[in-house]
Amino acid sequence: LAKTTQPISMDSYEGQEVNITCSHNNIATNDYITWYQQFPSQGPRFIIQGYKTKVTNEVASLFIPADRKSSTLSLPRVSLSDTAVYYCLVLYNFNKFYFGSGTKLNVKP
Amino acid sequence: NAGVTQTPKFRILKIGQSMTLQCAQDMNHNYMYWYRQDPGMGLKLIYYSVGAGITDKGEVPNGYNVSRSTTEDFPLRLELAAPSQTSVYFCASSYSLGTALSTNEKLFFGSGTQLSVL
Repeated sequence: LAKTTQPISMDSYEGQEVNITCSHNNIATNDYITWYQQFPSQGPRFIIQGYKTKVTNEVASLFIPADRKSSTLSLPRVSLSDTAVYYCLVLYNFNKFYFGSGTKLNVKP
Repeated sequence: NAGVTQTPKFRILKIGQSMTLQCAQDMNHNYMYWYRQDPGMGLKLIYYSVGAGITDKGEVPNGYNVSRSTTEDFPLRLELAAPSQTSVYFCASSYSLGTALSTNEKLFFGSGTQLSVL
C-alpha cells in the first residue's frame, strides 16, 4: 500500500539548505501532498502541505512540479535541532494516512 | 490545550494478557487513528474511525480491536498480547468535512504509548 518513495537517510551540516525529494507516481487528481517531522520518542508533527507549484511557510518550502509525480521538501539553513525523520504522505482512499519509512536527516555541526 | 492525550505512556505485558490503550482528543475532530511504530521503522495504520460508531481496518489490524462510542475517545484493545505487538503506539486525530475524496487534512498526534510484551 506504500504510495511514496523517499531516500532512507541524508546528512547535512548546520547552515546548509536541505532538499528531500519524494516520489509519488500514482498520486490521484485530488490528493494533497503532506510532510511530517518526527523527533525520537514523539509523534509526527505536521510541517507543510501542498497541491501544486510552491508552498512556503515559516518552517519549510514545498515544491511540486506540474505532473505532481514528485515533491521536494526544502529546509533552509538547517540547525542541529532539525535532525529528525521526515515523512512524505499522499492521502490514500479518503483519510487513510499511510506513512512510508521516511527520510532520516542527520544534521552535523 | 490538551490536544490528543494517550494513556498509559509505558506498559509491560506478559504474553496472553490483555489491555486497553486509551486515547482522547478535545478538538472535536471526527476522524481518529491508531498507528504502531516498530523501532527504526515508519508508522503503520492499525485502525481508524470516521466518527462515533464507525470504525475500519488499516494496514495491520490483526490482534487489535477498537471502538468509538463518543467523538472524544478511541480506545485500542489488545486481547491476547504477543511479543510481535511490542511497539510504540500513536493515536492521532484530524478534522474532516467528510464530503471530498481528498481534503486538506492535518493529523494531530498524541505522545505515544511504549508497549513491551514479554
